[in-house]
Formats: sequence, C-alpha cells, structure tokens
Amino acid sequence: QPVLTQSSSASASLGSSVKLTCTLSSGHSSYIIAWHQQQPGKAPRYLMKLEGSGSYNKGSGVPDRFSGSSSGADRYLTISNLQSEDEADYYCETWDSSTHEVFGGGTKLTVL
Amino acid sequence: EVQLVESGGGLVQPGGSLRLSCAASGFTVSSNYMSWVRQAPGKGLEWVSVIYSGGITYYADSVKGRFTISRDNSKNTLYLQMNSLRAEDTAVYYCARDSAGTPLIDYWGQGTLVTVSS
Repeated sequence: QPVLTQSSSASASLGSSVKLTCTLSSGHSSYIIAWHQQQPGKAPRYLMKLEGSGSYNKGSGVPDRFSGSSSGADRYLTISNLQSEDEADYYCETWDSSTHEVFGGGTKLTVL
Repeated sequence: EVQLVESGGGLVQPGGSLRLSCAASGFTVSSNYMSWVRQAPGKGLEWVSVIYSGGITYYADSVKGRFTISRDNSKNTLYLQMNSLRAEDTAVYYCARDSAGTPLIDYWGQGTLVTVSS
C-alpha cells in the first residue's frame, strides 16, 4: 500500500518561489497524486492532479502561480510569486485499490 | 457550479450515534465516487469511507463496523451514519467528490464538526 511522505514545514519570502515535495513509497513511483491547499480555519481546496510524467491538471480558479512537476517517486508543487494568502497547509493524496484514498501528513507553509 | 454542503454535526456522548448529510448540487452523486474525510483537531486529513458509483462501499479500519456510508439518489445527498462513537472520532468531517477517471478528490464540502464527549 502506498505511503506519502511530506516535510512538516516550509517557509519562503513574499514574492519568491517555493517547491513542496511529496514522495511516494517504494513500488508506487508511478502513482498519480492530487495536491490540496488548506488555509487556516478553512476546508481543503483541490489544486491539481499530477501524473508521474509531470503532466498536471489544475482545478477551477487555481492561479497560474501554482504548477506541478515530477521526478521518479517525487511529486512537486511549485508556488511562484508567493502571496500572503498562500500561507496554508498543503496535502498530497493518492489512491490505491487496497487502501483507497491516502493522504500525506501535510506541509505547513509559512510566508515570511 | 459544484457545491457540497454538510450538516448534522454536533456534540454527542461516547457510545452515541449521529448521521451526517451532504447535499450536492451541480452534479449527480450517484454518477461519482463520493468520500468522507475527517480531520481531528490540529491533525492532518484522514480518509474515512467511499461509495462508488456502482454502490460498493469501503471503510477505514478505524471505523469499519461502526460507520455506514449511503446515498439518496432522489435527494442527490450523501450520508454517513456513525454509531458507537468514541472520543477519537472527534473531528471535522468533510464530504468530497472524487474526480472521474482516477478517484482522487476534486471538490470538498465546508465540513461539519463532530465532538464526542461526556
């Protein structure tokens, strides 16, 4: 069954870029994942679906500043021109027929 | 526009029951995989249950035998019946729609808080 590993925290300055990582466990490097954003006190919001090829499909209304990429078992979420509203928790999610939906532990992003 | 609106949360004593509802609009519940995901205070997201478009259901081990997911096609509404509630079930419960193709979540509800306490 797949396990998703995320760093617990990250930080970057206003106006800069940050790259968040979600790593799939051994044997699951081809899995498709989704990225979700959860701003403080709010429900999660779907950002994008990201394939192992690096191809991604964003949700409605997600700014162009958000992009995805992949390398092996790693799935990345890059946020450019960081804004204060990007300060949030970011979760990755995948799916497997045995475990169904699985979430990473989340990364808390602080905008300095 | 896709919308998911949960209701039914509240304070319940250990061992009690609660039924959550999720009213959907902008799409047909029965044509999609639909999930419940919960988040304990200060914690991450935890998948709880899913119902497939064909009606097959699955549960996390932590709730198996106690929770039941269902839907009412005529009301376009998803439900989660929660029995034998425990303190560790305290969480915000989110209703979510899974995208077509790969069953990953593409829409979330606003959540409803369930507190299990005496």
